[in-house]
Amino acid sequence: SAVISQKPSRDICQRGTSLTIQCQVDSQVTMMFWYRQQPGQSLTLIATANQGSEATYESGFVIDKFPISRPNLTFSTLTVSNMSPEDSSIYLCSVRAGTGNQPQHFGDGTRLSIL
Amino acid sequence: RKEVEQDPGPFNVPEGATVAFNCTYSNSASQSFFWYRQDCRKEPKLLMSVYSSGNEDGRFTAQLNRASQYISLLIRDSKLSDSATYLCVVNEEYGNKLVFGAGTILRVKS
Repeated sequence: SAVISQKPSRDICQRGTSLTIQCQVDSQVTMMFWYRQQPGQSLTLIATANQGSEATYESGFVIDKFPISRPNLTFSTLTVSNMSPEDSSIYLCSVRAGTGNQPQHFGDGTRLSIL
Repeated sequence: RKEVEQDPGPFNVPEGATVAFNCTYSNSASQSFFWYRQDCRKEPKLLMSVYSSGNEDGRFTAQLNRASQYISLLIRDSKLSDSATYLCVVNEEYGNKLVFGAGTILRVKS
């Protein structure tokens, strides 16, 4: 399966600031996604990163708070804007090659703490 | 009702034991199903896909019952290294959204 690299792996940020997380894949993939995993909870889909167009956001997530870019088939970024302590989470990029019945594979995540 | 429900455990079992995890899902139109494994402070990793006919991968067997909307994972001859959280995951209607269960914690002890 594809090798998925996320940067940074962790960060500690001040409230009110923004952080951009990068996701790089070593091969072209059809679909890229961004998830959040809050402490002690399972994963929740934030949005699907669409190449060359606006991301598709899930209920409860908005573009102003989580702007996403996907300039090509191997790279995407997620920005967490105007951060508050409630944004402290692990943020994970995932990819899927092919159709919807194929599994997704995850990057190793970005552990974010907001002071 | 949660979309994907799992017994959170923890399941504490001795090495060599057989352990079974269950999962139910609410959306009858769901099309594909997976078990992922997540180690502490790590990303989820695909353990296996789950097919209607059932499938086996070494010590791991997965079953799907579409009529009952029920998925299971059986682990035989448990190893210490099997200790992890096991996530039941459902893909809705060939769409992009993976819905994750809360996970079942397994602890295998010597």
